[in-house]
Amino acid sequence: SQTIHQWPATLVQPVGSPLSLECTVEGTSNPNLYWYRQAAGRGLQLLFYSVGIGQISSEVPQNLSASRPQDRQFILSSKKLLLSDSGFYLCAWSVRSSGNTIYFGEGSWLTVV
Amino acid sequence: AQSVTQLDSHVSVSEGTPVLLRCNYSSSYSPSLFWYVQHPNKGLQLLLKYTSAATLVKGINGFEAEFKKSETSFHLTKPSAHMSDAAEYFCVVSPHPMDSSYKLIFGSGTRLLVRP
Repeated sequence: SQTIHQWPATLVQPVGSPLSLECTVEGTSNPNLYWYRQAAGRGLQLLFYSVGIGQISSEVPQNLSASRPQDRQFILSSKKLLLSDSGFYLCAWSVRSSGNTIYFGEGSWLTVV
Repeated sequence: AQSVTQLDSHVSVSEGTPVLLRCNYSSSYSPSLFWYVQHPNKGLQLLLKYTSAATLVKGINGFEAEFKKSETSFHLTKPSAHMSDAAEYFCVVSPHPMDSSYKLIFGSGTRLLVRP
């Protein structure tokens, strides 16, 4: 069966520090991968999606970036965090063979102080 | 353009009573529809999905939803609420089939409170 792992689960970072959130998917090949952000009390915002290695599409201009160095690995990064980057970040995956159903990781809480 | 509207931001029920979470969608094609649940500080878990098969879809934890094309609705129901059902629920519609990125369209969420 397929599983998705996302880490770290929580982190507190000072303003201006770098960020790296990592996500891996197991049990499937060539998934679509996604990064979402959920600010407190708000809905989900799609940040990045990827349909293949090295293929990244950005949905929202910001100081975040994403990379996909391997088929089942998706990384969210920032060189310098802002206070407004605080939130709950969710990695997700889908494949067309599953009816394009999206499955989410457990999320990462980021607090920028 | 596709859109989804969750008609209630908050729903409060007593334990053991029925649950109804309302969702309306707008789509120019036959969409796939999903309900997800999110418990506090957790990721989203798929409850059920509709993909043009049976209009009454049964999901996990006793939830079900009925696709009504004439009403463009996909309401989520459960006969008897349990305390563990307290969570945020999201109605989601699939994008246009020609959208290769497959970016889902999320409703704003409904927070379900279950009273003892």
